[in-house]
Amino acid sequence: AQRVTQPEKLLSVFKGAPVELKCNYSYSGSPELFWYVQYSRQRLQLLLRHISRESIKGFTADLNKGETSFHLKKPFAQEEDSAMYYCALTSGGSRLTFGEGTQLTVNP
Amino acid sequence: NAGVTQTPKFRILKIGQSMTLQCAQDMNHNYMYWYRQDPGMGLKLIYYSVGAGITDKGEVPNGYNVSRSTTEDFPLRLELAAPSQTSVYFCASSGLAGARDIQYFGAGTRLSVL
Repeated sequence: AQRVTQPEKLLSVFKGAPVELKCNYSYSGSPELFWYVQYSRQRLQLLLRHISRESIKGFTADLNKGETSFHLKKPFAQEEDSAMYYCALTSGGSRLTFGEGTQLTVNP
Repeated sequence: NAGVTQTPKFRILKIGQSMTLQCAQDMNHNYMYWYRQDPGMGLKLIYYSVGAGITDKGEVPNGYNVSRSTTEDFPLRLELAAPSQTSVYFCASSGLAGARDIQYFGAGTRLSVL
C-alpha cells in the first residue's frame, strides 16, 4: 500500500529564513509525487510535481528514491508562503494519496 | 472560467437526515473525486469515477454513495448522516492521465452533523 508521511503538522519560520517541509513516502514501485498548497480562503491547488522538475514561487522539491523522500524547499521564505501544504503520491492508477499536511507560518 | 463548482458551501444536518453534495466541472475531465478533509488527517478519498457510468470506492466510502450519469456531474449522497461525517468535503477532477494529471479542486462544502 502507498503511504505519505509529513512529520511536521506545524512549521513556523521568520521571513527571509530557509524553509523545508518534509515528505516521506512508502511505495515499492516508481511513484509520481506532488506538492499541493491551500492558501487561506483559496482552493487547494497544485504547487509542483517532480516530473516537471521546475521551481514554482521559489519552491523546489527533489525526489530522493534512496531515502524515499520528496522534501519541499525554499531558500528565503516570504509571508505570502503561509499556507497548508500537502504532499501527495500516485502509483499511476486512478488514486492520489495525500499526506496529513503541514501548516506553514512565515512570521514578519 | 468556473472549473469545479460545489454546492452548497455550508450545511448543518441533524443526525439521520440525508443530503446530496453537488459537484460539477466544465473542463470535460474524465476523472472526478470526492475527498473529506478532517483536521490533522489530510485528505481521504471517499469515491472516485473514471468516466460517466463508472465509479469506485476510495479509502473511506462507508455512509456515502455516488453516481456519475454525465461527464460533468458527480454528486455525493449522504444517507442517515452521523456526527462522524462532520467534515469539509472537496470535489476534484483531472484529465485523461488520471491521478498522474493535475487535480483541480472545488471550493469545498463544510458539513456539520449535530
